[in-house]
Amino acid sequence: DTGVSQDPRHKITKRGQNVTFRCDPISEHNRLYWYRQTLGQGPEFLTYFQNEAQLEKSRLLSDRFSAERPKGSFSTLEIQRTEQGDSAMYLCASGRQGSYAEAFFGQGTRLTVV
Amino acid sequence: DAKTTQPPSMDCAEGRAANLPCNHSTISGNEYVYWYRQIHSQGPQYIIHGLKNNETNEMASLIITEDRKSSTLILPHATLRDTAVYYCIVRVDGNTGKLIFGQGTTLQVKP
Repeated sequence: DTGVSQDPRHKITKRGQNVTFRCDPISEHNRLYWYRQTLGQGPEFLTYFQNEAQLEKSRLLSDRFSAERPKGSFSTLEIQRTEQGDSAMYLCASGRQGSYAEAFFGQGTRLTVV
Repeated sequence: DAKTTQPPSMDCAEGRAANLPCNHSTISGNEYVYWYRQIHSQGPQYIIHGLKNNETNEMASLIITEDRKSSTLILPHATLRDTAVYYCIVRVDGNTGKLIFGQGTTLQVKP
């Protein structure tokens, strides 16, 4: 399978714990995006990387959230001191550079904070 | 803010064409229209995109009006597997490629 891969698919954590999600993009894609989706809503943009550089962060990305893409390949999204409001589907997408190239999404990581 | 308006839900009979409308009256000259769909519990799937000409691929056709203020996604022969939420998106930032999703249209294909 050469699509976008996310791990884990599901995560249940207690409030206050830290969690980390991983995204492996399509190998030739230099752009990588993180989105968050809550029940009944469309995905919301969180942040974007071009190669290893994080070029944009949404206001939704509080200081408890951090994302990295150290070698311009896979990316991690960490949430510190999780809150119940962090419960959501976290989606990763990748795409080629080029203003209008389409993005391809992974299956997402569903986070439940109890 | 999403720059598109879609009906919240639609039904379609299996085997018939599904025509999903989208209004984007404030679209700018260099903004493309993208369509994605999301089947329950999966990530969004790219369908098609276009600027001003009609487009067709193996999944669907995209018809954009001449004034570009609206478009229609056509699934020519809908199947039960096409039941999903369909998102019409006007690309906000052509430089970053980020997508701004609205609420989408829930398409229910019925036997």
